[in-house]
Amino acid sequence: GQNIDQPTEMTATEGAIVQINCTYQTSGFNGLFWYQQHAGEAPTFLSYNVLDGLEEKGRFSSFLSRSKGYSYLLLKELQMKDSASYLCASMDSNYQLIWGAGTKLIIKP
Amino acid sequence: GAGVSQSPSNKVTEKGKDVELRCDPISGHTALYWYRQSLGQGLEFLIYFQGNSAPDKSGLPSDRFSAERTGGSVSTLTIQRTQQEDSAVYLCASSLGQGHTDTQYFGPGTRLTVL
Repeated sequence: GQNIDQPTEMTATEGAIVQINCTYQTSGFNGLFWYQQHAGEAPTFLSYNVLDGLEEKGRFSSFLSRSKGYSYLLLKELQMKDSASYLCASMDSNYQLIWGAGTKLIIKP
Repeated sequence: GAGVSQSPSNKVTEKGKDVELRCDPISGHTALYWYRQSLGQGLEFLIYFQGNSAPDKSGLPSDRFSAERTGGSVSTLTIQRTQQEDSAVYLCASSLGQGHTDTQYFGPGTRLTVL
């Protein structure tokens, strides 16, 4: 079956670094997406990886290892506004996004 | 428009009633997606449109759910004889549709509560 696993909740301190992991098993693979979703709001796109390696975009970076079915989202210099849920989604061979349940990130001062 | 819009933002209905949810995608986006998100859960894919056709309806949970898209723009999701388990946030997303891996841009969602 198809499955996306990510931690339910994480806590980190303002100014610190946090890594949110995601493992995926999908029928085929056409890329890994990360979205940010603030409470009560729609998800917004953060990153897309289809090749192995690290993609850096400002304070956020995303990593992919296709052989391991593994990705992580790295957030640096955490700010209070980064408190949100982070959704991992894998695109399968039918180009359908399979979504994880999301990781709720709590930032403490 | 500037972004994906959905209406209504909130809908409370009685069990057994029909509801219609509307999505207006970003202008020029040919691909449109409907998802459902229950509290604390991930997104559940419902249906995907490319233009006016729906090549993938596999996610519709039952025959009470249907969707259409006309003019390659606005889409409506209809739920007939609503049940309490239909209560969720219904999200619509659109993408350029030029490539399957195009970024999907989401609307604010419709929060449906079935009493």
